[in-house]
Amino acid sequence: TQLLEQSPQFLSIQEGENLTVYCNSSSVFSSLQWYRQEPGEGPVLLVTVVTGGEVKKLKRLTFQFGDARKDSSLHITAAQPGDTGLYLCAGAGAGGTSYGKLTFGQGTILTVHP
Amino acid sequence: DAGITQSPRHKVTETGTPVTLRCHQTENHRYMYWYRQDPGHGLRLIHYSYGVKDTDKGEVSDGYSVSRSKTEDFLLTLESATSSQTSVYFCAIRPTGKATEAFFGQGTRLTVV
Repeated sequence: TQLLEQSPQFLSIQEGENLTVYCNSSSVFSSLQWYRQEPGEGPVLLVTVVTGGEVKKLKRLTFQFGDARKDSSLHITAAQPGDTGLYLCAGAGAGGTSYGKLTFGQGTILTVHP
Repeated sequence: DAGITQSPRHKVTETGTPVTLRCHQTENHRYMYWYRQDPGHGLRLIHYSYGVKDTDKGEVSDGYSVSRSKTEDFLLTLESATSSQTSVYFCAIRPTGKATEAFFGQGTRLTVV
């Protein structure tokens, strides 16, 4: 069974601060995705990273995939109240019976105070 | 918008009763998934389908069954609901050609009393 450890579980910060969320595993993933979820809604895909060492930027959000494809991070610069939500990382199985299946981290609840 | 509709959106049921949740998609995607979401656990895969009448178990399949008689519909059944199955259930699809990306419905909040 593949496991993804996401940290921190809770993050409460002031508007304008920077933050980083981590996603770690002992397993190799073929790709890793980050989702954002708002109350009462399903998760919405933010980004997919595929190549070890890959960095993708989405406005103030920077996503990185570890060189060994076992970990990832999400960095938000100058957080805004609109960034508030639940952030989930998900790893896709690298092969065999794990192919295409997603393993989710526990999630990080981010609250950005004005 | 991936064209996914879940029904019902909310349901309260009694312990021991059967419950069926429905996921409907409009874009003929082959892969469909059922997840449950609980605090501190993220989303956990219950069952998935890779085509009509082709289904397989996920990591938390005990107490659940699924059926897919048409491409567009994927049903999740709790044969005899228990309080431990109180959760939010999400259906997801994987678009053809996208090896790993998933798009989710809005969820069904199920309470077993």
